[in-house]
Parts: sequence; C-alpha cells; structure tokens
Amino acid sequence: DQQVKQNSPSLSVQEGRISILNCDYTNSMFDYFLWYKKYPAEGPTFLISISSIKDKNEDGRFTVFLNKSAKHLSLHIVPSQPGDSAVYFCAASDNYGQNFVFGPGTRLSVLP
Amino acid sequence: NAGVMQNPRHLVRRRGQEARLRCSPMKGHSHVYWYRQLPEEGLKFMVYLQKENIIDESGMPKERFSAEFPKEGPSILRIQQVVRGDSAAYFCAGRREAQETQYFGPGTRLLVL
Repeated sequence: DQQVKQNSPSLSVQEGRISILNCDYTNSMFDYFLWYKKYPAEGPTFLISISSIKDKNEDGRFTVFLNKSAKHLSLHIVPSQPGDSAVYFCAASDNYGQNFVFGPGTRLSVLP
Repeated sequence: NAGVMQNPRHLVRRRGQEARLRCSPMKGHSHVYWYRQLPEEGLKFMVYLQKENIIDESGMPKERFSAEFPKEGPSILRIQQVVRGDSAAYFCAGRREAQETQYFGPGTRLLVL
C-alpha cells in the first residue's frame, strides 16, 4: 500500500518553461514534506521542504505547494533548465520528521 | 551530498557471502537512516538508528539483515548470506537532532552474483 504516490513516472519539459511535479499522499497524519533530486549514480539531494502549517514555500526557482484537504503537493520549477533533468522524489513524515516515506519518483527531462 | 560518506561505492558478492556497508554521516548528525532502492523503484526505508540505539527497524527484513551505529565509528548495515534479490543501491542519510532534513550519502551499489 503506497502511502506516497507520484503518478507520473516521467515528465518532459522545454527549457525555460515551468515544470510541475505532483505528489499525492494517503496518510492524513503526515505533517512534513520534502522534495529530493537525484542524479544517476548519486545519492538524493535535498531541494525544499514544507510543513503542514504552510501552503507554500519558495526557494529561488523552486516552489512547493501543499493542499492538505486534497492530500496533494506539487513542486514547481521555473524556469526549467537542462541541469534540472533528474529523478525527483517527494517524501512525507508523520512524526516531526523522524521517519520519512518516499514516493517512487518522477524522472524529469528538460529539453534544450 | 554534503559530506556524507558511504563505502564501498560498489560491492560484488557471491550468493551466501556477507556484505558489510558503511556510512559516516556528517559531523554532528546523530541520527542515521538506511534505505534500499531497487532498479526503477523509489527509496524504501529500512532502519533508523541513533548512536548505539535502533529506533525503528520496521523496514528491515528480520533475517540476515542487521544494522548498528556505535558510539564511535560509522554506521554498519550487514547482510549475511546474500541472495540475488539483495542486489540494489543502499543509501544512508543523516540528520541532526531536532532537524527534519536528511542528508544522503552517494550510496553503495551491491551486486550479488
């Protein structure tokens, strides 16, 4: 039973356009969420986080939106760059960040 | 990956041998997590440790797998009598007390022949 879902295994976007990566969760107790980016043969790298008391967090080109009632979060990257091509994982925690459940990932390809 | 070290980066074992994976989190990170990633899949939680204590091992198979994080030295994930299905990338992540963000190492890719 997948508690964190990323229903798009892959996404292709033109350079300069917006990339929107989606994540849905089933556990209403989740209260903290993170996005990680992963290049091949490397470990995941932390990108941005959001707690359930907020509905938006922004860091440069990256913005995460949280819709608690829909149990949905999304990561927006604008403008997208070829170096953003990677696998993006969302992760959720219900224990103040002690343990995280990861989604299966979405592979983003930014085309020049 | 912000100074988290894992070794070896690649490990080849024959069925029945033991695999020992090491993780040194960043300085001051007293919480360590181990995850497994199978090809084309996401990260699966295995075990969560603090110094000298296992906090949550609910994601780790009960047999053949063990983990420790001693007071001194790296965290060790040990897989005894490896089987082909153990072939995967194993990542560790560390975090500070009272902080949520986990910082990952580069992973160890285990191949069981």
